[in-house]
Amino acid sequence: QSALTQPPSASGSPGQSVTISCTGTSSDVGGYNYVSWYQQLPGKAPKLMIYDVTKRPSGVPDRFSGSKSGNTASLTVSGLQAEDEADYYCSSYAGSNNYVVFGGGTKLTVL
Amino acid sequence: EVQLVESGGGLVKPGGSLRLSCAASGFSFSSYSVTWVRQAPGKGLEWVSSISSSGSFIYYADSVKGRFTISRDNAKNSLYLQMNSLRVEDTAVYYCAKESAYDFDYWGQGILVTVSS
Repeated sequence: QSALTQPPSASGSPGQSVTISCTGTSSDVGGYNYVSWYQQLPGKAPKLMIYDVTKRPSGVPDRFSGSKSGNTASLTVSGLQAEDEADYYCSSYAGSNNYVVFGGGTKLTVL
Repeated sequence: EVQLVESGGGLVKPGGSLRLSCAASGFSFSSYSVTWVRQAPGKGLEWVSSISSSGSFIYYADSVKGRFTISRDNAKNSLYLQMNSLRVEDTAVYYCAKESAYDFDYWGQGILVTVSS
């Protein structure tokens, strides 16, 4: 069960857009439309931000969007705000043997 | 309001055992799969184990297979994780989470398990 690959860090200024990538294989990200993104603030539990590649749960600002191309999924945060500074994790369904795999996480810094 | 509350964590010696519990409320517990995810200190999230709504389907990460056992009691709205043969590398905050088609839409606050001599 190999973790999905995310950049360790990303940054942007308030108002800018930033995109975080999540690279897997055809056995996980590329094989299913079950990619999710989670936001984790320091000392807090993760919060679901995107599911099924592109869908937003109720209450998540539309500044957050998700996409996928081949074996790579992406999370884009538009109109960056200070409150968006957090760790972001992607996950994907990986079949009945491996079930779910997470990415290593990306620390987003708002400059 | 959906709530998931973990309990049962603590300090245990290598080779020891511990049983985590997760009390669920605010949703129809028996209708959903539930999951354990852990996070070692300063590290990322790691999926540990999932169990289907009826308990018929169970999945484990390779890192815990044969040592951990997930179970649920739908009458008590509770999820459990029996952890045996604990290793130092099992030290982590353990979260229970409600699952919705391979994503985790609600999480508990987490419970710390420390494995150390």
